[in-house]
Amino acid sequence: GENVEQHPSTLSVQEGDSAVIKCTYSDSASNYFPWYKQELGKRPQLIIDIRSNVGEKKDQRIAVTLNKTAKHFSLHITETQPEDSAVYFCAAPDGGDWGKLQFGAGTQVVVTP
Amino acid sequence: NAGVTQTPKFQVLKTGQSMTLQCAQDMNHNSMYWYRQDPGMGLRLIYYSASEGTTDKGEVPNGYNVSRLNKREFSLRLESAAPSQTSVYFCASTTNRYNEQFFGPGTRLTVL
Repeated sequence: GENVEQHPSTLSVQEGDSAVIKCTYSDSASNYFPWYKQELGKRPQLIIDIRSNVGEKKDQRIAVTLNKTAKHFSLHITETQPEDSAVYFCAAPDGGDWGKLQFGAGTQVVVTP
Repeated sequence: NAGVTQTPKFQVLKTGQSMTLQCAQDMNHNSMYWYRQDPGMGLRLIYYSASEGTTDKGEVPNGYNVSRLNKREFSLRLESAAPSQTSVYFCASTTNRYNEQFFGPGTRLTVL
């Protein structure tokens, strides 16, 4: 099955700085890479995803880049704000046709004012 | 639309007790999932149901059973709870593969 590794496990940034989280995956056939954000005590929610036919996708202050050759993808958050403080999870398909995802272990992002 | 709902929100069990976690979605989604979340380990798939009438094991199925009662409802049963099953359990659903998974609010389970 798919193996997803996520780094770093914790990330502390000053408000206004950028944050970058990187994930690697093992299955070269994987072609869909979502990112979920989980605020403290809340449920995970999708913030952005990318399919393998593009190398980058942006949505306001967040962007995801994909390098299929190296089998890694990254989440970039620019101009960080306190409300960006949360745990972020990357994921990749775990084979099959039923949308089974393998999640990374998560990155705790703390944005300090 | 309520989205994905779960009951109960909190539960404390003694070792060996049984219980069923309930999940329902009103988005007409085909696929439903049960995850557990433990500190530092992300979300691990317990069981999933690709469509009504089908269920299959995920990464950590031991000690659990599931039932896809109908298209809306997917329940998770612990037959004989163990302290290692102390966790936060999330149900999720999606319309089809490679689309957003919508999560329920979670159930915090403690097994003493």
